Amino acid sequence: AQSVSQHNHHVILSEAASLELGCNYSYGGTVNLFWYVQYPGQHLQLLLKYFSGDPLVKGIKGFEAEFIKSKFSFNLRKPSVQWSDTAEYFCAVKVSGAGSYQLTFGKGTKLSVIP
Amino acid sequence: DAGITQSPRHKVTETGTPVTLRCHQTENHRYMYWYRQDPGHGLRLIHYSYGVKDTDKGEVSDGYSVSRSKTEDFLLTLESATSSQTSVYFCAIRRDSREIDTQYFGPGTRLTVL
Repeated sequence: AQSVSQHNHHVILSEAASLELGCNYSYGGTVNLFWYVQYPGQHLQLLLKYFSGDPLVKGIKGFEAEFIKSKFSFNLRKPSVQWSDTAEYFCAVKVSGAGSYQLTFGKGTKLSVIP
Repeated sequence: DAGITQSPRHKVTETGTPVTLRCHQTENHRYMYWYRQDPGHGLRLIHYSYGVKDTDKGEVSDGYSVSRSKTEDFLLTLESATSSQTSVYFCAIRRDSREIDTQYFGPGTRLTVL
């Protein structure tokens, strides 16, 4: 079974700092990759996703992620964070192909942005 | 907005009592999921459904059952609630027409078992 690792449990940044959150997965085949964000007290919202093609994907609110197949990684980046980015971020992987349906989530990274 | 509602949004119950959580969707999607979210564990799949009366177990299904008698409703039942089932429960749907294999989540139900 695949697994997802998010190495940073809690990241604290000042406004305007750059962000990179790590995500690694363990599956050797074709995968679909996702980043979700959960603002305090809210449900998960899709930030961005990768299915195929350009490994650099852009999402909402200025976020982007790069899929590096050789490193089994899908790191999330943002050049300049804002206080409103304070949230928990979850990486998820789905094995692509017929009959595949389940998402496996990482344990999440909590981001705190200090004004 | 994925057209998902969950009820109740908050519930406090006592150990040993049965509890049913409801997930309702308005977009007629085939796949629906129940997850639980716990600090340090992320989201873990409890059960999922791939059609009316078609359900299967996820990673943490012990102590839970589900039913789907209509496309729009997916019920999660805790037959005899335990304190370890205190959690936030999220329902999700899979949009398999416009955006293949992308799951969208409901607002969640916070369940406390005393």
